[in-house]
Amino acid sequence: DVVMTQSPLSLAVTLGQPASISCKSSQSLVHSDGNTYLSWFQQRPGQSPRRLIYRASNRDSGVPDRFSGSGSGTDFTLKISRVEAEDVGVYYCMQATPWAWTFGQGTKVEIK
Amino acid sequence: EVQLVESGGDLVQPGGSLRLSCAASGFTFSTYAMHWVRQAPGKGLEYVSGISNTGSRTYYVDSVMGRFTISRDNSKNTLYLQMGSLRAEDMAVYYCARDYWDYWGQGTLVTVSS
Repeated sequence: DVVMTQSPLSLAVTLGQPASISCKSSQSLVHSDGNTYLSWFQQRPGQSPRRLIYRASNRDSGVPDRFSGSGSGTDFTLKISRVEAEDVGVYYCMQATPWAWTFGQGTKVEIK
Repeated sequence: EVQLVESGGDLVQPGGSLRLSCAASGFTFSTYAMHWVRQAPGKGLEYVSGISNTGSRTYYVDSVMGRFTISRDNSKNTLYLQMGSLRAEDMAVYYCARDYWDYWGQGTLVTVSS
């Protein structure tokens, strides 16, 4: 199984400052079809997860452009350019290679 | 509007069984694979099981293999998770999600306790 490792597991950020979350996979996420199946999710307190980024760097409709995803192969990053109060929650990466899905442990983002 | 509504969560004793349902609407259910993901209290997300759009292919995480069965009824636009031999560690909120992971339900709570 592919193991997804996130860091840090907890992040306290000052409002308006940037934040960065790393996600490393135990094997390359480049699929034979050429796509990289890495997604990022946000889970606000008391809510269901919400997808922010798919295929490593594609932002979902309605997701603020302060969120961006990057990376390839085994190393991926979610960046928030300027943290806002509504960004508080837990962020998960997930490798979405068909028939082998696994989540990272989650990174809790709070306001300093 | 796409909607996924889970139901069936309940308090069950260790060793017991439970069937969860996920009612889908707002999209062509029969064209999407579907998934179950769970979240134990205060913990992270754990992938549980998936099923192809026709039901011909299924996938289970090792910890539920042989105890849980995923199925679907495309005529009723409903996804199911039959859970058996339940353990304390199965206690969680169970979410269903559409393939591509763009829509999730609100979750249903399964409590395993004597």
